[in-house]
Amino acid sequence: EVQLVESGGDLVQPGGSLRLSCAASGFTLRSCAMSWVRQAPRKGLEWVSTLSDSGTTTYYADSVKGRFTISRDNSKNTLYLQIDSLRAEDTATYFCARLSGGSGFDYVNDWGQGTLVTVSS
Amino acid sequence: EIVMTQSPATLSVSPGERATLSCRASQSVGSKLAWYQQKPGQAPRLLIYGGSTRATGIPARFSASGYGTEFSLTISSLQPEDFAVYYCQQYNNWPPGQFGQGTKVEIK
Repeated sequence: EVQLVESGGDLVQPGGSLRLSCAASGFTLRSCAMSWVRQAPRKGLEWVSTLSDSGTTTYYADSVKGRFTISRDNSKNTLYLQIDSLRAEDTATYFCARLSGGSGFDYVNDWGQGTLVTVSS
Repeated sequence: EIVMTQSPATLSVSPGERATLSCRASQSVGSKLAWYQQKPGQAPRLLIYGGSTRATGIPARFSASGYGTEFSLTISSLQPEDFAVYYCQQYNNWPPGQFGQGTKVEIK
């Protein structure tokens, strides 16, 4: 059974940093692309970033490019999202998502339950 | 950058009735369109991929069609558990995971 468990969300001041983690089980991260999708309070879903199955190709939404970094640790089967220079508009629940293929241009097969990031002074 | 537009924003339907949701892409995505259902406090759930293929375990009352830029999701007879927000997502063009803004299906 596929499981995705996010952690790392917290209350952070503007300009601060945070690292989100997504522990995967039931499959290996090398077998598919993975994404982070966020949802601001009472808003819709927003794609944030994707890492290809090879781990060599990354994609970022314009709103986070240069501030967010997606990566993974194969030995821990864990996906990460390093978030720097946090802004109030980054406040959201961040979902980890397993994609159906390896390129990154794929639909989401499985979702984690999300971790909440709140940016406020 | 591709833009996904869903309509209506809110759909009020009585249980047992049929609901049809629309999703339009600003450029062709072929058949690379997925639909998700999200209930309050929960993660989204995959309903449809490839424009019209139901995901594992999705009831037959959910059907979808479309190609290119125009897509629709139909729920043939709304059950109480179907009242939720529905999102379409294209995975053909940049950006790779662009979602529509969602359609809320509420009880009339």
